[in-house]
Amino acid sequence: AQSVTQPDIHITVSEGASLELRCNYSYGATPYLFWYVQSPGQGLQLLLKYFSGDTLVQGIKGFEAEFKRSQSSFNLRKPSVHWSDAAEYFCAGGGSSNTGKLIFGQGTTLQVKP
Amino acid sequence: GAGVSQTPSNKVTEKGKYVELRCDPISGHTALYWYRQSLGQGPEFLIYFQGTGAADDSGLPNDRFFAVRPEGSVSTLKIQRTERGDSAMYLCASSPIALGAGANVLTFGAGSRLTVL
Repeated sequence: AQSVTQPDIHITVSEGASLELRCNYSYGATPYLFWYVQSPGQGLQLLLKYFSGDTLVQGIKGFEAEFKRSQSSFNLRKPSVHWSDAAEYFCAGGGSSNTGKLIFGQGTTLQVKP
Repeated sequence: GAGVSQTPSNKVTEKGKYVELRCDPISGHTALYWYRQSLGQGPEFLIYFQGTGAADDSGLPNDRFFAVRPEGSVSTLKIQRTERGDSAMYLCASSPIALGAGANVLTFGAGSRLTVL
């Protein structure tokens, strides 16, 4: 069965430190992959997406993600975290039905220490 | 509208009651999706519409859940005989096209938080 797994439920980093959030997928073929961010009381905001081509994808707010087929991973990175990045982050996979029917990971909560 | 609008933002009801949650998608978006997000979990797909018709309702948990989109824009998610296990955030999303790579690019609303006492 198709699945998306985020191994880390909660991560704490210091402001200014680098960040990497992990995402692994299990799909029959290469899925479309997404990272969303959700702040309290807000909807999901799309950070970046991967459909095909260049495996390093740039997104909004200084985030990037790298698709690694050999590791079935799509990890999210940011070189220097800001306090406003504290939120919940979701990795999602799609494309199997060519619609917006996505499979989400369970999310990683990011806490930023001053 | 400029974004996806969901009302009410919060709904508290008693077990056994009927509830309606409304979603107003981005103007002109063909596809509309409903997802449910339980506490501490990622969103789970419920149903999606292409225009007025439900193209895939495989995620609806049981026949107490029903959704409509009669004119191809606003959608209503209806829950009959609510149970405590229905408590969750209900998210609506829309997409400009229904099929293809771009169909996967969803714009989400802020959600309707349902609490069943």
